[in-house]
Amino acid sequence: GQNIDQPTEMTATEGAIVQINCTYQTSGFNGLFWYQQHAGEAPTFLSYNVLDGLEEKGRFSSFLSRSKGYSYLLLKELQMKDSASYLCAVMDSNYQLIWGAGTKLIIKP
Amino acid sequence: GAVVSQHPSRVICKSGTSVKIECRSLDFQATTMFWYRQFPKQSLMLMATSNEGSKATYEQGVEKDKFLINHASLTLSTLTVTSAHPEDSSFYICSASFGGEIGEQYFGPGTRLTVT
Repeated sequence: GQNIDQPTEMTATEGAIVQINCTYQTSGFNGLFWYQQHAGEAPTFLSYNVLDGLEEKGRFSSFLSRSKGYSYLLLKELQMKDSASYLCAVMDSNYQLIWGAGTKLIIKP
Repeated sequence: GAVVSQHPSRVICKSGTSVKIECRSLDFQATTMFWYRQFPKQSLMLMATSNEGSKATYEQGVEKDKFLINHASLTLSTLTVTSAHPEDSSFYICSASFGGEIGEQYFGPGTRLTVT
């Protein structure tokens, strides 16, 4: 079966750095997405990785290792507004998005 | 760019009635639109995928006669929840894609449906 694993919840301090991991097992691979979702709102796109390596975009970076079926989202200089759920999603061989359950990130002052 | 709207944002209806939710891509033509539902503290569950001018493809376990999807144009898709029941109460989210291999999806703001 297809499976996306990510931690249920993480806590970090304002101004610090946090890394949210995602491991996957899917039927084929056509890219991995990270989305941010604030409570009661729809997800917003953060990043897309299809090749191995690190993609940096401002305070957020995303890393992919296809051989390990592994990705992480790195958030730097954390702000209170970063408190949200972070969803990892993999596009399989049929170009369908397989969603992880999301990681709830709690930022403390 | 890439803005997707949904209407209504919240709706309360009585059991047995039908509710229509609209999803519009405002500044691009969406070759594919997706409908999701999300229960509290759970991840998105894909209900169906629709391409303009063709019948929607429903995920296993989703009743196509209950959740009617119409993708009449490249900028509009509608989801009608027929004969709604309290267990249909959920957060319904649509997304739209340009198509192509990347298939990045742009999400609407969601519709909170409460069936009493």
